Amino acid sequence: AQSVSQHNHHVILSEAASLELGCNYSYGGTVNLFWYVQYPGQHLQLLLKYFSGDPLVKGIKGFEAEFIKSKFSFNLRKPSVQWSDTAEYFCAVNARSSNTGKLIFGQGTTLQVKP
Amino acid sequence: DAGVTQSPTHLIKTRGQQVTLRCSPKSGHDTVSWYQQALGQGPQFIFQYYEEEERQRGNFPDRFSGHQFPNYSSELNVNALLLGDSALYLCASSLTGGQSSDTQYFGPGTRLTVL
Repeated sequence: AQSVSQHNHHVILSEAASLELGCNYSYGGTVNLFWYVQYPGQHLQLLLKYFSGDPLVKGIKGFEAEFIKSKFSFNLRKPSVQWSDTAEYFCAVNARSSNTGKLIFGQGTTLQVKP
Repeated sequence: DAGVTQSPTHLIKTRGQQVTLRCSPKSGHDTVSWYQQALGQGPQFIFQYYEEEERQRGNFPDRFSGHQFPNYSSELNVNALLLGDSALYLCASSLTGGQSSDTQYFGPGTRLTVL
């Protein structure tokens, strides 16, 4: 069965610090990978996605993620965080072979950025 | 461009009651997926509807059922409510067969509280 693991449950950073959130998945086939963000009081928004091609993908608001197939990882990075990045971050995968795109989510990482 | 909308925003029910949640997909989308997000957890896939039929189902009991209408909107019904059904219910829409057919866009959710 597919599963997604996010290693950091709660991360606290100061503004301008660099961010890396870990995500590992368990699935033997080809996957699509996603990072979603949930700002306080708002709905889940797509940050970035990887389907194929360049394993380094860039998303909105200066975020990027790197797909490392050999490590089954899709870590999210941002060189310099802002207070407005305070939010819940979810990594998700779906099986490329699936015709439904059913998403399997990690448990989420709460990021708190101190001004 | 209208995004995914859900109603109601909040709902309070008592154990044993039945509830219906509603979702309108993003303009141009034809597929609706439902997820349950318990407090502090990532969303869990309930089921997906396409062409007015349930296409895939997650690990949820038969008390959870749904429907999709010809205009692609959808309903989620939960019968015989349990305390454990208290959660945020998310609707996500996508376009089957499109270039980004595996990308799901989420609505704001319905917060269900079962007393």
